[in-house]
Amino acid sequence: GENVEQHPSTLSVQEGDSAVIKCTYSDSASNYFPWYKQELGKRPQLIIDIRSNVGEKKDQRIAVTLNKTAKHFSLHITETQPEDSAVYFCAAPSFGNEKLTFGTGTRLTIIP
Amino acid sequence: ETGVTQTPRHLVMGMTNKKSLKCEQHLGHNAMYWYKQSAKKPLELMFVYSLEERVENNSVPSRFSPECPNSSHLFLHLHTLQPEDSALYLCASSQEWDRVGNYGYTFGSGTRLTVV
Repeated sequence: GENVEQHPSTLSVQEGDSAVIKCTYSDSASNYFPWYKQELGKRPQLIIDIRSNVGEKKDQRIAVTLNKTAKHFSLHITETQPEDSAVYFCAAPSFGNEKLTFGTGTRLTIIP
Repeated sequence: ETGVTQTPRHLVMGMTNKKSLKCEQHLGHNAMYWYKQSAKKPLELMFVYSLEERVENNSVPSRFSPECPNSSHLFLHLHTLQPEDSALYLCASSQEWDRVGNYGYTFGSGTRLTVV
């Protein structure tokens, strides 16, 4: 099955600076890579995703990059704001494509 | 609301109690999932249901018993739980069970379970 590793587990960033979270996956057949944001006491919410036919996708201050050869993908948040503080999870589909395997999460803290 | 509703939001139960968690989705999805979220394992898959049939049971103890009476409803029946079962239980749904890579998940808000 799919194995997803996520780093770092915690990240503190000064407000206005950039944050980068990295994930690696094991199944070369995986073709969809979502990122979820979970604020304290709330449900995980999809913030951005990327499919294997592109190398980068941007949505305002958030971007995701994908390197299929190396089997890793990253979340980039620029001009960070206090409301970006949350736990972020990466994920990849299993070989049978019927479930997502999640990384262990990154707790991002934005320092005002 | 996201279209996936979980009740109750909080639950405290004794180890000899029997309780049920409920999940309901009105998104027209045909796959539903139970995840356990704890400090040790942030998002741990428990069960997968596709078109009301269980397609995966991720080695979950028998004190957790899922039920999916139709494609819109999913239950998790709990009995004789242990304190280490205290966690946030998240329900999720997906548009097409064998194409989660195309559609991803929508999560419910979860049930915070405390076993005393």
